[in-house]
Amino acid sequence: EAGVVQSPRYKIIEKKQPVAFWCNPISGHNTLYWYLQNLGQGPELLIRYENEEAVDDSQLPKDRFSAERLKGVDSTLKIQPAELGDSAVYLCASSFAGENIQYFGAGTRLSVL
Amino acid sequence: GDSVTQMEGPVTLSEEAFLTINCTYTATGYPSLFWYVQYPGEGLQLLLKATKADDKGSNKGFEATYRKETTSFHLEKGSVQVSDSAVYFCALGNAGNMLTFGGGTRLMVKP
Repeated sequence: EAGVVQSPRYKIIEKKQPVAFWCNPISGHNTLYWYLQNLGQGPELLIRYENEEAVDDSQLPKDRFSAERLKGVDSTLKIQPAELGDSAVYLCASSFAGENIQYFGAGTRLSVL
Repeated sequence: GDSVTQMEGPVTLSEEAFLTINCTYTATGYPSLFWYVQYPGEGLQLLLKATKADDKGSNKGFEATYRKETTSFHLEKGSVQVSDSAVYFCALGNAGNMLTFGGGTRLMVKP
């Protein structure tokens, strides 16, 4: 069974440019999470989806970050415009609804120059 | 709010040494507790979990016991291998299946 797939694995952009990350969760997983992981720190939740509905986006900086999960399967996280401080690893995870085990993708490492 | 505190790393051990990584938590209600491991260049993988007080989670020789009285979930392994070198994250899961992670502890095992 395929795990959580994220792309790209690495992205280098200049500040003020837009960037997008894609995540395909494990088949059948209703719940999808986007996390931010700064260097040397644990992941911090940005947004959580139950199917296509964003049920917790309180930590998402909405002035520049947006996310969508239109068909309740794969998801896209976008930053526009990117700032130097956005350099980090962006992790996607998924789980069955009501289950407390989350499965993580390998992440996208973003470098903003 | 919920929080998790882990011992700072790096922890450097020789092969076959005993490992302990301390983890304490603050939470409302009755959270589940987890240890995740992150190998270089990879995402987090669930290592073990415990869902209620006095439960012991175990996997691949690693163990952790959910201690409600000390609000702790320390990770232990009797004999580490070079292949155990990774970053270990303690986490708690509360309402809505939200995970709160500690800052991670890097383990380096030397041959």
